[in-house]
Amino acid sequence: GESVGLHLPTLSVQEGDNSIINCAYSNSASDYFIWYKQESGKGPQFIIDIRSNMDKRQGQRVTVLLNKTVKHLSLQIAATQPGDSAVYFCAENGGGKLIFGQGTELSVKP
Amino acid sequence: DTAVSQTPKYLVTQMGNDKSIKCEQNLGHDTMYWYKQDSKKFLKIMFSYNNKELIINETVPNRFSPKSPDKAHLNLHINSLELGDSAVYFCASSQDRRGNEQYFGPGTRLTVT
Repeated sequence: GESVGLHLPTLSVQEGDNSIINCAYSNSASDYFIWYKQESGKGPQFIIDIRSNMDKRQGQRVTVLLNKTVKHLSLQIAATQPGDSAVYFCAENGGGKLIFGQGTELSVKP
Repeated sequence: DTAVSQTPKYLVTQMGNDKSIKCEQNLGHDTMYWYKQDSKKFLKIMFSYNNKELIINETVPNRFSPKSPDKAHLNLHINSLELGDSAVYFCASSQDRRGNEQYFGPGTRLTVT
C-alpha cells in the first residue's frame, strides 16, 4: 500500500555540522514531495518541496534531493543550529492528499 | 497574522460527550483539511474540503463530522467521544485541491478521560 517511511527515527548532530534526514516512499506515481518541521507543541511548518520532474532543490540552508529510481528523498540542513531541533516529516502527494512518514527527531548538541 | 488558526488549543472532556473544533484560514485557499496526529506523532489525513465540498473522506468513524460554512472555515464535530479519540488534531489548507504545499494550524490537543 501507499506509505512513506523514514530510515532513522532519531538523529543527533553537533551544532555547526550538516544534517541529513532520509525518507523512502513507495508510490512511484507520486509527483510532489514536501518536508515539514514540527517543533514541540506546534503545527508542522513547511520547509521545502520538490516536484518529481526535479532531482534537487535548494532553499536557505536546506536542500532536498529526490531519487526516483530508488524512491528516496532526503533533506540536508547545512550548519545545523540549535533552533533546528525538531521532528522532521517527509510527505508525498498521492492523489490530492499528503501521506506522511513517521518522522525523524533531530537533536542538535551545542 | 495567523494564516491557519484553530480553537481551542486544548480540549479536555469526558467519554460520551460531544465537542467541536474550529478552523479558519486567511490565505484565500480553496482547500482545507483535518489531520489526526497520534501519540507516536504519526499524521494522517481525515477529511478534505474544496470550496465547501467534501472531496476526501478517509475511513473515519461516523462520529466525526466536518462542516465547512465557507471556504475559509472548516469545523470538526465529534460525537460520543471515546478514549481513542485522544490526539492532536491539525487543520491545514492549500491553494487548491491538488493538495500541494499545505499550511498547518497550531493544533488542538484533545484529551478524553
